[in-house]
Amino acid sequence: GAVVSQHPSWVICKSGTSVKIECRSLDFQATTMFWYRQFPKQSLMLMATSNEGSKATYEQGVEKDKFLINHASLTLSTLTVTSAHPEDSSFYICSAMGQVGEAFFGQGTRLTVV
Amino acid sequence: AQSVTQLDSQVPVFEEAPVELRCNYSSSVSVYLFWYVQYPNQGLQLLLKYLSGSTLVKSINGFEAEFNKSQTSFHLRKPSVHISDTAEYFCAVTLNSGNTPLVFGKGTRLSVIA
Repeated sequence: GAVVSQHPSWVICKSGTSVKIECRSLDFQATTMFWYRQFPKQSLMLMATSNEGSKATYEQGVEKDKFLINHASLTLSTLTVTSAHPEDSSFYICSAMGQVGEAFFGQGTRLTVV
Repeated sequence: AQSVTQLDSQVPVFEEAPVELRCNYSSSVSVYLFWYVQYPNQGLQLLLKYLSGSTLVKSINGFEAEFNKSQTSFHLRKPSVHISDTAEYFCAVTLNSGNTPLVFGKGTRLSVIA
């Protein structure tokens, strides 16, 4: 099946720094990717929809200036957490749509801001 | 808008016993339905999906789910669980048109007891 690769798997950064997370579709082209955030023992909450070649669409309550999304090619979307703070610590997961009705997920990125 | 309700946040069950994880959804239009499994600090793995056709769908590891339109349900069942089935299970829904994101339930923690 289709594979979505997310990197890094985990990252620890200092408060105030920025962190970039990559999401790649390895064997298919994804015009649309989605970024989710998951707090401990909670469900996945959609943060934004990433569209190749255009601006991302953010969900209500998500700061677009803090969570920068770039979808520069049909196989790569990046999420940059800018000026990270401890409350940004979370598990971030990307997904890409393959054939109709099937979403493929990356392995997730555990971000810890200290 | 779509929504998903997983009534049970935690389900403990003894090994080799049957289990049912409940999922109800709400939508005014036709949807696709999914069950995903998540192991600690990992991404989501697709367990099974309903797109159309037969309302009973099965996975390769013994899980099955039945789409019930009148009850707007998509409960997950397994006749005999194993220790290795211990994980978080998420029910999800998406519109059956185009690249739309998944909406997740809050998840059910299945704990299989030896």
